[in-house]
Amino acid sequence: DAGVIQSPRHEVTEMGQEVTLRCKPISGHDYLFWYRQTMMRGLELLIYFNNNVPIDDSGMPEDRFSAKMPNASFSTLKIQPSEPRDSAVYFCASRAHLAIDYNEQFFGPGTRLTVL
Amino acid sequence: AQKITQTQPGMFVQEKEAVTLDCTYDTSDPSYGLFWYKQPSSGEMIFLIYQGSYDQQNATEGRYSLNFQKARKSANLVISASQLGDSAMYFCAMNQGGKLIFGQGTELSVKP
Repeated sequence: DAGVIQSPRHEVTEMGQEVTLRCKPISGHDYLFWYRQTMMRGLELLIYFNNNVPIDDSGMPEDRFSAKMPNASFSTLKIQPSEPRDSAVYFCASRAHLAIDYNEQFFGPGTRLTVL
Repeated sequence: AQKITQTQPGMFVQEKEAVTLDCTYDTSDPSYGLFWYKQPSSGEMIFLIYQGSYDQQNATEGRYSLNFQKARKSANLVISASQLGDSAMYFCAMNQGGKLIFGQGTELSVKP
């Protein structure tokens, strides 16, 4: 298996522009997670899906952020409009449906976003 | 609320020595899981080891072992025979309702 795939790996954009990050989970995994990593706040969970349905989006910072999962093999995280404080590494992760206390997540390589 | 605490922002260890990275957690759930991930400078997140709250024995995976002390709510990672390639950030995490809550991480530097 190719693992979790994210694109682009690097994104540089200007403030006010729309940014779309993409993720392809591991085939057969029915949970998908979006995280943001910054020096100040560490690793934060933004949102996660189960069977393509958003379960918990309490970590989404504000209305500028939105996430979709139109099918089991694809998810997007969109920021519109982007701001410099959104600069971070965004990780996508997926996991299979296992016992609730064992939920190893497999992470993608991340997208490094820089908003100028 | 559940919480993960890693009190060591940075650690140094001599190559071939063992090192312990601390992790304490707080939860009222009787069933939970604890994880350690490694993040090298290249940025990817690598799963290292898992410990379930009902596991009777400490988890081990090669040179990694987890010193699980349930009463003290600690889940320290022990790396034996450190290698230069072990230099990285290490994150402790705990599951909460299907999602992972991460600690702030410990940066480990292995000296030759």
